[in-house]
Amino acid sequence: GESVGLHLPTLSVQEGDNSIINCAYSNSASDYFIWYKQESGKGPQFIIDIRSNMDKRQGQRVTVLLNKTVKHLSLQIAATQPGDSAVYFCAENIGGGSQGNLIFGKGTKLSVKP
Amino acid sequence: SAVISQKPSRDICQRGTSLTIQCQVDSQVTMMFWYRQQPGQSLTLIATANQGSEATYESGFVIDKFPISRPNLTFSTLTVSNMSPEDSSIYLCSVVPRGRWDEQFFGPGTRLTVL
Repeated sequence: GESVGLHLPTLSVQEGDNSIINCAYSNSASDYFIWYKQESGKGPQFIIDIRSNMDKRQGQRVTVLLNKTVKHLSLQIAATQPGDSAVYFCAENIGGGSQGNLIFGKGTKLSVKP
Repeated sequence: SAVISQKPSRDICQRGTSLTIQCQVDSQVTMMFWYRQQPGQSLTLIATANQGSEATYESGFVIDKFPISRPNLTFSTLTVSNMSPEDSSIYLCSVVPRGRWDEQFFGPGTRLTVL
């Protein structure tokens, strides 16, 4: 049978509300961060990225905030829609020219109630 | 972003057999990677697929168990050898397109179940 995996943190929001998903990263040398969205049965989808020389970046309905002092990353989704329901992963690149060396967080499951 | 396809999309295999997963990209990419995602868990990097040379494996993964090929800039294969039920996972390839230094894009994944 299927092995028991980690229980993902779950965030449940009402349609139309704003969502904030948090991530604590591990390596102070990380210089690049990505948020991914993974819907059931699909591969992770690139949402937005941010480099360590920035503390905020905005996309369409999404904003990523980076606090290097406390090694914290957040993803804000405005006017959350049912289609936003998915598991969200943050990923950090430890830098040093190691292109592509992404370390993924555990993920947060976002559930949007209509 | 690049369009990435994987074959097969899913498979059910017997213990002790091997499965080769293909990853095809519609454009040339600088880097290709293979990840594993065990049920309900996050992604773990298996290896970097290097064109024309041996793959670079992460700690805990070895070439005998996960041989990888990358004959050109748009194609790579991952073989899961001598499978056991613990190998049941989703296997994903990802790419960094040319001109996109860090941004990684993922394929749809191959869901493998080993009985």
